[in-house]
Amino acid sequence: GENVEQHPSTLSVQEGDSAVIKCTYSDSASNYFPWYKQELGKGPQLIIDIRSNVGEKKDQRIAVTLNKTAKHFSLHITETQPEDSAVYFCAAMGKLTFGQGTILTVHP
Amino acid sequence: NAGVTQTPKFQVLKTGQSMTLQCAQDMNHNSMYWYRQDPGMGLRLIYYSASEGTTDKGEVPNGYNVSRLNKREFSLRLESAAPSQTSVYFCASSRLNTEAFFGQGTRLTVV
Repeated sequence: GENVEQHPSTLSVQEGDSAVIKCTYSDSASNYFPWYKQELGKGPQLIIDIRSNVGEKKDQRIAVTLNKTAKHFSLHITETQPEDSAVYFCAAMGKLTFGQGTILTVHP
Repeated sequence: NAGVTQTPKFQVLKTGQSMTLQCAQDMNHNSMYWYRQDPGMGLRLIYYSASEGTTDKGEVPNGYNVSRLNKREFSLRLESAAPSQTSVYFCASSRLNTEAFFGQGTRLTVV
């Protein structure tokens, strides 16, 4: 079945710095790659997604890149703010398989 | 528009008891999912339903059964609860290759 690996598991940055989270996937048939943010006590919420016919997508301070040949995709957050602190998950569809999550902490 | 509704929000079971977690969505989505979330383990897929009348095993199906009752509802049953099933359970729904929407979760403790 589909396997999604996510790194790093924890990431600590200073406010204003950039943060990068990387994921790899195993199923070459996957063609939709969402990123979710989960705050404490809540269900995950979509922050950005990318489809396999696109290499990069940007939404304000958040961008995602996809390399289908290498089967990896990355989340980039620029100008980080304390409210960006949360757990971030990548996923691949298929069956919507998630990575292990990254705890992002942004220090003021 | 309620989105995805899960019940109950909290539950404590004794080892060996059974229970059913309910999930309903009002977005006319074909696909529905059940996940469990444990500390440091991310979201692991238990079962998946691509459409009404179909279900498929995910990564961790042992000890669980599911029913896709109709397009709106997808229930998860624990026949004989074990302490290893203590977790937070999330239901989600989506159309194919589009955003999945999650419920608020069910926190289950098996003692």
